Amino acid sequence: EVQLVESGGGLVKPGGSLRLSCAASGFTFNTYGMNWVRQAPGKGLEWVSSISITNMYIHYADSVKGRFTISRDNAKNSLSLQMNSLRAEDTAVYYCARDLSSSGGNGMDVWGQGTTVTVSS
Amino acid sequence: QSALTQPPSASGSPGQSVTISCTGTSSDVGGYKYVSWYQQHPGKAPKLLIYEVSKRPSGVPDRFSGSKSGNTASLTVSGLQAEDEADYYCSSYAGSNVLFGGGTKLTVL
Repeated sequence: EVQLVESGGGLVKPGGSLRLSCAASGFTFNTYGMNWVRQAPGKGLEWVSSISITNMYIHYADSVKGRFTISRDNAKNSLSLQMNSLRAEDTAVYYCARDLSSSGGNGMDVWGQGTTVTVSS
Repeated sequence: QSALTQPPSASGSPGQSVTISCTGTSSDVGGYKYVSWYQQHPGKAPKLLIYEVSKRPSGVPDRFSGSKSGNTASLTVSGLQAEDEADYYCSSYAGSNVLFGGGTKLTVL
């Protein structure tokens, strides 16, 4: 079964850090671009970051650029998002999503169940 | 990085058709073939309905169709069913990032 499982969410104070992980299974991980997408409570979807199969193409939304770092370990079939200098507006459910292309930017056909990040003092 | 523009709501009766628009610019929707549509039920992860403007992933009913004209993409849901009631989001590649629309809440009357 093709599956993505996120972990690492939780409650963190403003200015703090958190590292999200996404474990992939049931498909050849190193042939797909990957994305992080978030959804603030009661709001719409917001693309956060994408990474290509060989890390050659990495992109971030302006809202997280310089604070978040996406990475992948193809040997471990895993995707990560290091989040630093967290702000209240980063509070959201964070989804890991597989891209239809190897470089990212196409449709996202497999999604995890999401992990919740709450930034509050 | 402005979000794509979608109507906040749409509605239709069972069996009818409804079309949801998604307006961007020549730098995103109008400039690339990578327009996608997603369906999201409350408390669930999004589901891909349409990719590359008009292609359907395996398992998505042909009641869902996509198109594009200029800077505006559209999703048409034909033969509305009760289970189609959900939030719908468009997205587009925009060169070095991906944009989502604000979402459209579809109500089946």
